[in-house]
Amino acid sequence: KNQVEQSPQSLIILEGKNCTLQCNYTVSPFSNLRWYKQDTGRGPVSLTIMTFSENTKSNGRYTATLDADTKQSSLHITASQLSDSASYICVVKTSSASKIIFGSGTRLSIRP
Amino acid sequence: GAGVSQSPSNKVTEKGKDVELRCDPISGHTALYWYRQSLGQGLEFLIYFQGNSAPDKSGLPSDRFSAERTGGSVSTLTIQRTQQEDSAVYLCASSLGQEYNSPLHFGNGTRLTVT
Repeated sequence: KNQVEQSPQSLIILEGKNCTLQCNYTVSPFSNLRWYKQDTGRGPVSLTIMTFSENTKSNGRYTATLDADTKQSSLHITASQLSDSASYICVVKTSSASKIIFGSGTRLSIRP
Repeated sequence: GAGVSQSPSNKVTEKGKDVELRCDPISGHTALYWYRQSLGQGLEFLIYFQGNSAPDKSGLPSDRFSAERTGGSVSTLTIQRTQQEDSAVYLCASSLGQEYNSPLHFGNGTRLTVT
């Protein structure tokens, strides 16, 4: 069964600290993996896409990694800011039937 | 407009009434999706449109839910005889098409409250 599991479910860190969010998937066949950021009361916005051949990709203070062998991805946030407070959602797309499978998200709170 | 537009942004209705939610996707986006998000929960897939047809409507929770898309653009999600458990945020997203590695562009949702 195609599934996307995220951990932790929620996380609270102090402003300026780093954190890493995890995503494990059992989706097959794999096409790509995206991380989305969802601010409260808003729709999700794509942060980055990882394809099979990519191991790491950065977007400002966000760095995503992908290990296609272990079917794991991580999103690392450096020098966190209050505006990073949001839910972060891991989304995996299959290459057959083009299914898009959402994880349940990690709710990140940054404290001043 | 530049993004996906959803209306209304908020809807309060009485149990048993019908509601219609509207989604205006980004111009040129052939794929359109509806999702439901309960408070503090993840996104629940409802239905996917490619053009005007819906090849995947497997997420619609009951026959009270239906959706249509006309002109390959605007979509409406209709909920008949609303129940309190229908209360949630209904999100619409569009993209260039599933054959592309393009992201989903989401609207800000319609918050539905059934009293």
